[in-house]
Amino acid sequence: GAGVSQSPSNKVTEKGKDVELRCDPISGHTALYWYRQSLGQGLEFLIYFQGNSAPDKSGLPSDRFSAERTGGSVSTLTIQRTQQEDSAVYLCASSLRTRNTGELFFGEGSRLTVL
Amino acid sequence: AQSVTQPDIHITVSEGASLELRCNYSYGATPYLFWYVQSPGQGLQLLLKYFSGDTLVQGIKGFEAEFKRSQSSFNLRKPSVHWSDAAEYFCAVADVTASKLTFGTGTRLQVTL
Repeated sequence: GAGVSQSPSNKVTEKGKDVELRCDPISGHTALYWYRQSLGQGLEFLIYFQGNSAPDKSGLPSDRFSAERTGGSVSTLTIQRTQQEDSAVYLCASSLRTRNTGELFFGEGSRLTVL
Repeated sequence: AQSVTQPDIHITVSEGASLELRCNYSYGATPYLFWYVQSPGQGLQLLLKYFSGDTLVQGIKGFEAEFKRSQSSFNLRKPSVHWSDAAEYFCAVADVTASKLTFGTGTRLQVTL
């Protein structure tokens, strides 16, 4: 497709289960970002990829969170042993450039609910 | 570290009225500033951006924003609001060395007919 695609759009899981969220960026975009959007908290930066490497993982909340990117394209955000506080919308964005002189294109997000 | 403050959580305006959404930033050097809009059920879309030069920048959908260094502000304006402008608006600042955007907490705009 032409835009950033995220799946699943909605995920309900039980506390303690692992979840995987997928992001398919715009073709040719070398930079990929994950943000978390919680009610009233704005957008929280999680991790950024340039190609397949992640120069900045500073936003990952705990070691239960990990992300990878393969082939310079699709990225997967994995949350292990989910907790209720992980409930949020996880947004993925991609960009042509690493430095923020360009526009970030966002997907519609994956809404995660942990019961 | 850079930060962004959007003082207004929720604003209601009548259709046809003017709009100003406030944004204040904290950043040590000349900032790269952005406004994004998030309509219900949709991803964020860039409205406009400021990098340098003219401090009044024009964006899509009739929006504009003015960079005021002395006030550390980058307020978003629109002369006449349309019902379709109801959405959440996010201001963001870029750290050009860290390659990421820092967002404010957003302002939810409600438009009454």
